[in-house]
Amino acid sequence: GQNIDQPTEMTATEGAIVQINCTYQTSGFNGLFWYQQHAGEAPTFLSYNVLDGLEEKGRFSSFLSRSKGYSYLLLKELQMKDSASYLCAVMDSNYQLIWGAGTKLIIKP
Amino acid sequence: ETGVTQTPRHLVMGMTNKKSLKCEQHLGHNAMYWYKQSAKKPLELMFVYNFKEQTENNSVPSRFSPECPNSSHLFLHLHTLQPEDSALYLCASSQEGLGGGYEQYFGPGTRLTVT
Repeated sequence: GQNIDQPTEMTATEGAIVQINCTYQTSGFNGLFWYQQHAGEAPTFLSYNVLDGLEEKGRFSSFLSRSKGYSYLLLKELQMKDSASYLCAVMDSNYQLIWGAGTKLIIKP
Repeated sequence: ETGVTQTPRHLVMGMTNKKSLKCEQHLGHNAMYWYKQSAKKPLELMFVYNFKEQTENNSVPSRFSPECPNSSHLFLHLHTLQPEDSALYLCASSQEGLGGGYEQYFGPGTRLTVT
């Protein structure tokens, strides 16, 4: 079966760095997405990785290792507004998105 | 503003009621999706429409009936729902092309409670 694993919840301190991991087992691979979802709001696109390596976008970076079935989202200089759920999703060989259950990130002052 | 709107934002309905959820995308995309989001569970893909044609129906019970009259509008008709159908229903759109997959843009969702 297809499976995406990510931690249920993480806590970090304002101004710090946090890494949210995602491991996957899917039928084929056509890219990995990270989304941010604030409570009661729509998921919003953060990043897309299809090749191995690190993609940096401001305070957020996303890393992919296809051979290990592994990705992480790195958030730097954490702000209170970064408190949200972070969803990892993999596009399989049928171009369907397989979603993880999301990681709830709590930022403390 | 994500360019995808959904109405209503909240809906409470009894098990014998019939209601419809509406989604509209203003992004010129050619694919639209319905998802169910339950607490602490992965997003569940329900239906996919590509160029107004339904391409996916992930074993969704017949009490959920989608309708896509054009590439900008998507409906989810609900009837005789069960309490376990209470969830957040999200609509999304994307631009599908050769080689597939681009990011999906989500609406704010409809919080559905079945009593």
